[in-house]
Amino acid sequence: DQQVKQNSPSLSVQEGRISILNCDYTNSMFDYFLWYKKYPAEGPTFLISISSIKDKNEDGRFTVFLNKSAKHLSLHIVPSQPGDSAVYFCAASFNNNDMRFGAGTRLTVKP
Amino acid sequence: NAGVTQTPKFQVLKTGQSMTLQCAQDMNHNSMYWYRQDPGMGLRLIYYSASEGTTDKGEVPNGYNVSRLNKREFSLRLESAAPSQTSVYFCASMAGRGVAQHFGDGTRLSIL
Repeated sequence: DQQVKQNSPSLSVQEGRISILNCDYTNSMFDYFLWYKKYPAEGPTFLISISSIKDKNEDGRFTVFLNKSAKHLSLHIVPSQPGDSAVYFCAASFNNNDMRFGAGTRLTVKP
Repeated sequence: NAGVTQTPKFQVLKTGQSMTLQCAQDMNHNSMYWYRQDPGMGLRLIYYSASEGTTDKGEVPNGYNVSRLNKREFSLRLESAAPSQTSVYFCASMAGRGVAQHFGDGTRLSIL
């Protein structure tokens, strides 16, 4: 059973506009959520995280929002740049060892 | 700045052959992990080692064994490879609780 779901396999946005990537989870025990970015032939790299005690975390152009009641988190990228084109994975854990990942969303930012 | 190093990068095996995937990290991290990535499935945890001398099963451990050789190295072994184990394997390490994992660049394994 997939405990972390990214229902959009792909997303295309224009350069300069906002990109919104969504993630849903089913396990209410998750207390730490992360977003990773992955380029082809490379490993995922950490982008931003949020603890379950917060509802928002911001780092430059990247903001993650957490809605615990809806078991939903989202990543906002503003403004989007062509270099942001990659696959984005949402991940969640409750003891920091058993990390569960979503299937990923491929973001394409068009110049 | 090597980070997490995986060897080999590519490997083709025949069904029934054995193989060990190597992983080493130079960041003095306590925890290390092995994942597999399959199309449409994201990354799934195979085994992890929370500290030197300990290993635990993850989500999909069947068909695999691991060894935490020392703090730096964590290997993944396929004793009798099966076509269902064709995947991209990622090793990761983590300093501790509340921080992110660092990943290697993966091993692409094909089993014929």
